[in-house]
Amino acid sequence: GAVVSQHPSWVICKSGTSVKIECRSLDFQATTMFWYRQFPKQSLMLMATSNEGSKATYEQGVEKDKFLINHASLTLSTLTVTSAHPEDSSFYICSATELAGGPNEQFFGPGTRLTVL
Amino acid sequence: GQNIDQPTEMTATEGAIVQINCTYQTSGFNGLFWYQQHAGEAPTFLSYNVLDGLEEKGRFSSFLSRSKGYSYLLLKELQMKDSASYLCAAMDSNYQLIWGAGTKLIIKP
Repeated sequence: GAVVSQHPSWVICKSGTSVKIECRSLDFQATTMFWYRQFPKQSLMLMATSNEGSKATYEQGVEKDKFLINHASLTLSTLTVTSAHPEDSSFYICSATELAGGPNEQFFGPGTRLTVL
Repeated sequence: GQNIDQPTEMTATEGAIVQINCTYQTSGFNGLFWYQQHAGEAPTFLSYNVLDGLEEKGRFSSFLSRSKGYSYLLLKELQMKDSASYLCAAMDSNYQLIWGAGTKLIIKP
């Protein structure tokens, strides 16, 4: 089946620093990638949707200048949390679909646990 | 608005059967997904229904009624490893997934 990887698996950083999370589709070309955030005991919250080569579409309430998303190729998308603060500590998960639009299954990466001190 | 409702937590016994219900309201509808998520891990795909009826896949089955905006996930012959959260997600007219808060399933010996 389709595999999505994320790097790093976990990261601890100081408040005010920036953190970059990579999401890669290993055996397929991901036309669309999604970035989610999940707080403990809560469901997935979609942050943004990105299509290769175009700007990401952010969900309401998500600051695009704080959460920078780059989908530069069909196999790689990155999320950069700029000037991270403790309230940004969360589980960040990416997912990818092979085809644009349509009822396509999302393949999830293993997630990145971010802790901001 | 768009909304997904599912129970917060359920408890069942090893070897038994459990049904997790999900009701949804979305702008348009392009199918209903069920995902399993173990603590600290990413979700894994279980099933997808777009037509009314029951889809069976091994110990897991999923049912959909579009007219009622209702789905359920049926787990048979429960095993301890089935302890996880089960997420219901409906796809709207823009092919965007609307996620439920998840049902935490606790399996007791």
